[in-house]
Amino acid sequence: AQSVAQPEDQVNVAEGNPLTVKCTYSVSGNPYLFWYVQYPNRGLQFLLKYITGDNLVKGSYGFEAEFNKSQTSFHLKKPSALVSDSALYFCAVVNFNKFYFGSGTKLNVKP
Amino acid sequence: ETGVTQTPRHLVMGMTNKKSLKCEQHLGHNAMYWYKQSAKKPLELMFVYSLEERVENNSVPSRFSPECPNSSHLFLHLHTLQPEDSALYLCASSQASSSGGSTDTQYFGPGTRLTVL
Repeated sequence: AQSVAQPEDQVNVAEGNPLTVKCTYSVSGNPYLFWYVQYPNRGLQFLLKYITGDNLVKGSYGFEAEFNKSQTSFHLKKPSALVSDSALYFCAVVNFNKFYFGSGTKLNVKP
Repeated sequence: ETGVTQTPRHLVMGMTNKKSLKCEQHLGHNAMYWYKQSAKKPLELMFVYSLEERVENNSVPSRFSPECPNSSHLFLHLHTLQPEDSALYLCASSQASSSGGSTDTQYFGPGTRLTVL
């Protein structure tokens, strides 16, 4: 069974508008959840993670994510998108001590 | 990205060649990973080393052979590869728990872009 899903292959947003990149998960117990970003020809960079505590997690570059247990979601958000935010975003979940990455969502921010 | 380095950044090889990918982490971690990233596919975990022991081998063909001589270095030896092995190969490291579990943040290198002709 797939542990993490990113339902959108691509998200398009205008610069200055809020952005959301969706992630849902399917694990038993209390999940550890992560977001990573990948710029062209680069490795994945850690953005933020949820382990426990406050459902709203703040990360690098003004990004934040909200853990919603009832909806089993961990959507990535930013109030005002920048063109430089254009990249590939990966959600990941830890299940039984193993990392599972989503298939990635390409974010396009247009000027 | 200076925490985890990978060499070479690009590699082109024929199907009969033998080459090696190198990864080095400067973060004091005790677990290292090899991933394969192909276009439009999820990241594929290939190998996991924790405390210098291989703890996971996800049905990877024997033409890929990992080596972890110490907690800071990880190699991926390649021989008789196929064109479908062309991909971005990513190395990552993390701090594993005493039980060997990998729940902590993984830090990635920039990757090696491999092309098999």
